[in-house]
Amino acid sequence: NAGVTQTPKFRILKIGQSMTLQCTQDMNHNYMYWYRQDPGMGLKLIYYSVGAGITDKGEVPNGYNVSRSTTEDFPLRLELAAPSQTSVYFCASSYVGAGETQYFGPGTRLLVL
Amino acid sequence: DQQVKQNSPSLSVQEGRISILNCDYTNSMFDYFLWYKKYPAEGPTFLISISSIKDKNEDGRFTVFLNKSAKHLSLHIVPSQPGDSAVYFCAASEKGGNTPLVFGKGTRLSVIA
Repeated sequence: NAGVTQTPKFRILKIGQSMTLQCTQDMNHNYMYWYRQDPGMGLKLIYYSVGAGITDKGEVPNGYNVSRSTTEDFPLRLELAAPSQTSVYFCASSYVGAGETQYFGPGTRLLVL
Repeated sequence: DQQVKQNSPSLSVQEGRISILNCDYTNSMFDYFLWYKKYPAEGPTFLISISSIKDKNEDGRFTVFLNKSAKHLSLHIVPSQPGDSAVYFCAASEKGGNTPLVFGKGTRLSVIA
């Protein structure tokens, strides 16, 4: 049982480039989330999903897109990378309830130059 | 507008003593509260939670106290151990955990041997 896995661990992007951050969970959780954490700040919700085919915006969705075609996978897409998107990105999942105990992946550190 | 506030960015405590981490919230609709612990280069891990129908929840060395009238909760760690050194995030949710979590900025705890 790997829990929540994220790839890549670290990536450097140039301004304007695009990339997809991958997230997979093997706990059969319905809910999945993407957060970003900026230095000295808490976790801010980007998008979340309550099940396959259903996604919803969080607090800071601008500049990101998501899809949820399977229960296990919840990729986060950056279309035109900007320096403001330099951050650490965490994927999480929970079994029931968007506010219930969430299980987090190890994070992806993204640097946009 | 921060709905969940952790006003102490850092805290240092001697090994064996009590650590008290504080959290205030402004949204009176919050009724489910959680504490997460985060080590460097790892994702947050769930520590302990409390529902608004309780004022205290204990799990081993960790106790969370909730004061609804003051919109304040605290996490007590007794006795503190060097392995407790981490960043602690307070989080809150509405509707018994059915809305996305809102996180505070975190408090860095250093337990000195």
